[in-house]
Amino acid sequence: ETGVTQSPTHLIKTRGQQVTLRCSSQSGHNTVSWYQQALGQGPQFIFQYYREEENGRGNFPPRFSGLQFPNYSSELNVNALELDDSALYLCASSLQVNYGYTFGSGTRLTVV
Amino acid sequence: DAKTTQPPSMDCAEGRAANLPCNHSTISGNEYVYWYRQIHSQGPQYIIHGLKNNETNEMASLIITEDRKSSTLILPHATLRDTAVYYCIVGEYNTDKLIFGTGTRLQVFP
Repeated sequence: ETGVTQSPTHLIKTRGQQVTLRCSSQSGHNTVSWYQQALGQGPQFIFQYYREEENGRGNFPPRFSGLQFPNYSSELNVNALELDDSALYLCASSLQVNYGYTFGSGTRLTVV
Repeated sequence: DAKTTQPPSMDCAEGRAANLPCNHSTISGNEYVYWYRQIHSQGPQYIIHGLKNNETNEMASLIITEDRKSSTLILPHATLRDTAVYYCIVGEYNTDKLIFGTGTRLQVFP
């Protein structure tokens, strides 16, 4: 079985732009979560999708939005990028909510 | 905020047991203890979880005190590849999010 794959691996954007990050969940996993990890910090929960519906959200502004597709893959969209959005963005999937999440290797976003 | 407290860093000699402590004095009765680790440039990796009984799998053992206010992750024979940041997390079984702290940076040396 394949693990969680994220694309792209690295990305550089300019302040004010919009970005879409993609995640393919592990086969059979119907729950996808997104996390933001700033340098030297632990990952911070952004939101979770379960069967295409948002199932919970962390303390992030509305310009962070997401989607989950029928095949359980997912997108994270960030509008009006700010310099502080520079971070590693991690996607995690699980067979059901909070049952041993499998993380991808992340997308390193740099906002200049 | 994270509900756990961990030492920021620890060292361990290769081949020896690594014992990583975690304090979670405010844990509630229905909350589990989860351990993840993050090797440099990778996403976090699930290790083990438990409620109140000690647990063991192919990667590690988890020892939870009787009052559940602290726990210890044991890597029985540490290798250089175990060098990573280890996160102790408490949360309900059906919670939608993992709340990470800053973890313990374990350095295994030859």
